[in-house]
Amino acid sequence: RKEVEQDPGPFNVPEGATVAFNCTYSNSASQSFFWYRQDCRKEPKLLMSVYSSGNEDGRFTAQLNRASQYISLLIRDSKLSDSATYLCVVNSNTNAGKSTFGDGTTLTVKP
Amino acid sequence: DTAVSQTPKYLVTQMGNDKSIKCEQNLGHDTMYWYKQDSKKFLKIMFSYNNKELIINETVPNRFSPKSPDKAHLNLHINSLELGDSAVYFCASSPAAWGTDTQYFGPGTRLTVL
Repeated sequence: RKEVEQDPGPFNVPEGATVAFNCTYSNSASQSFFWYRQDCRKEPKLLMSVYSSGNEDGRFTAQLNRASQYISLLIRDSKLSDSATYLCVVNSNTNAGKSTFGDGTTLTVKP
Repeated sequence: DTAVSQTPKYLVTQMGNDKSIKCEQNLGHDTMYWYKQDSKKFLKIMFSYNNKELIINETVPNRFSPKSPDKAHLNLHINSLELGDSAVYFCASSPAAWGTDTQYFGPGTRLTVL
């Protein structure tokens, strides 16, 4: 089983739609969680950190469920510019704090 | 100003050659990383350095040798290049050693081995 698993998609949605991605992780000692965004042929960039209480940044909402060991990302009112690959990242305070990246979920928002 | 820079951006070379990729960060971060992203877009950590010391060394062939002359630089030297080394190599940095902080990625070096 992979340490971090994501549904690869692709998710194809119309503009204005709401879309949600889930990510599960296997290491219960994981401490930090992030969502990164990667555009085609570009480097990954931080979208948002994920906090235990859940957090929101504009149209984006991230949730963490430690009991079930998953994190989620909700995008409301999708824009064409949201088309990208979304990477779930899980860090552990063991193993020198190694970051484990999920394989990404591809989102395409269509007009 | 570029925060994390890599050179070269593109590298095309023959099998068996030796090549180096350079990375520099001007963010004052303590930790730097090398990642490999293959043709299927899977991003895997290769190495991590904290203040010039190696702290993560994933299962990577010993043809890959990182070198950190100071905490702002982390270079990657690859000996005897193989076809399977073709990938995009990303350098990244973060403030702390324990991976709890945001990582800032360089633009990537696209390596093609012929």
